Amino acid sequence: NAGVMQNPRHLVRRRGQEARLRCSPMKGHSHVYWYRQLPEEGLKFMVYLQKENIIDESGMPKERFSAEFPKEGPSILRIQQVVRGDSAAYFCASSRGQPTYEQYFGPGTRLTVT
Amino acid sequence: DQQVKQNSPSLSVQEGRISILNCDYTNSMFDYFLWYKKYPAEGPTFLISISSIKDKNEDGRFTVFLNKSAKHLSLHIVPSQPGDSAVYFCGAAGTASKLTFGTGTRLQVTL
Repeated sequence: NAGVMQNPRHLVRRRGQEARLRCSPMKGHSHVYWYRQLPEEGLKFMVYLQKENIIDESGMPKERFSAEFPKEGPSILRIQQVVRGDSAAYFCASSRGQPTYEQYFGPGTRLTVT
Repeated sequence: DQQVKQNSPSLSVQEGRISILNCDYTNSMFDYFLWYKKYPAEGPTFLISISSIKDKNEDGRFTVFLNKSAKHLSLHIVPSQPGDSAVYFCGAAGTASKLTFGTGTRLQVTL
């Protein structure tokens, strides 16, 4: 009865390095969403994926950020050449899809860029 | 442009009393609303939701009210318990399924 799993829970990167965040959705869920929470702010939508498809990436920064959800394996949020402003908590959520909107969140990955 | 607003960053309520958390939205295309609770260092936990075709949904101690004409919803918790102390996020969804969240209200339930 595993929920949404994210790893690593904490990630420290130096400026210019790459960060890879992984998310395994709940069993039976084929929709994955990534959200970012900056310090003292709410959760901001980044990207919505189904298996092998990006459905909505309207919240993704235009550069350095990419996401995928391959046919096999977890969803990956990739941040290239990280900067200090990327420091945040990144949450993944999953759902079965419409008509239910309920999304179930993972524990998050806290990224710190030094 | 903040489409979902939670204007009270914090709220303190005595144990046993009612907690009322408020949320306003501006986008009339939203048709589904959800409340999430979040403890420190954990992911948000789904609490309760309401479709725009309803004006009230109840689940145990939690009730959500929706006033579409005012574009306002509220979460009532009664009676409040110390374990309810957390940050509460209001979320709204349109046809795209992505959720747009408010900035959260920190609820503190005191003994």
